[in-house]
Amino acid sequence: EAGVAQSPRYKIIEKRQSVAFWCNPISGHATLYWYQQILGQGPKLLIQFQNNGVVDDSQLPKDRFSAERLKGVDSTLKIQPAKLEDSAVYLCASSVSRDRGLETQYFGPGTRLLVL
Amino acid sequence: AQSVAQPEDQVNVAEGNPLTVKCTYSVSGNPYLFWYVQYPNRGLQFLLKYITGDNLVKGSYGFEAEFNKSQTSFHLKKPSALVSDSALYFCAVRDTSGTYKYIFGTGTRLKVLA
Repeated sequence: EAGVAQSPRYKIIEKRQSVAFWCNPISGHATLYWYQQILGQGPKLLIQFQNNGVVDDSQLPKDRFSAERLKGVDSTLKIQPAKLEDSAVYLCASSVSRDRGLETQYFGPGTRLLVL
Repeated sequence: AQSVAQPEDQVNVAEGNPLTVKCTYSVSGNPYLFWYVQYPNRGLQFLLKYITGDNLVKGSYGFEAEFNKSQTSFHLKKPSALVSDSALYFCAVRDTSGTYKYIFGTGTRLKVLA
């Protein structure tokens, strides 16, 4: 079974530029998550999708971050414009369904973003 | 509010010795608890979870964790450490209301010395 795919793996941009990350979840997984992991910290949930609907985006900085999951499969996360503090690893994860928290999340390798 | 704490930034243990990585949590209801491991330049990998039932949970790669409700702890253990166990370990608690999102600890770096 193929895992969660993410691209690109690394990205370096200057502040105020825009950037986009792509995620392809495990086939058949209804729930998709985007996390931000700043160096030395644990992952922080940015947004959670159930199929193509948003379940939770309470920690997404909506003035600069946006995400979509068209057709309930692939997802993109965009930052526009980027700030220095956005430097982090962006992790995508998926799970079969949001079954009262019982199911396991499967994580992709992450995209490491450096904003100069 | 739900939270999880990993009090040790780093744990050093000699190969072949038992290891423990500590985790404590705070939730308003019944906790769902998880351990993940992160190797360099790779995403998080699931190790084990506690939902209900037996307080001792067995997981991947010989790891186990003990749920202690009175101490609100969920420590990760392994009887005999391997050098290949060296990695970053995250404890997570699942919010059992609303969106069921994970709340992760800050991580503990485990270093197993040959």
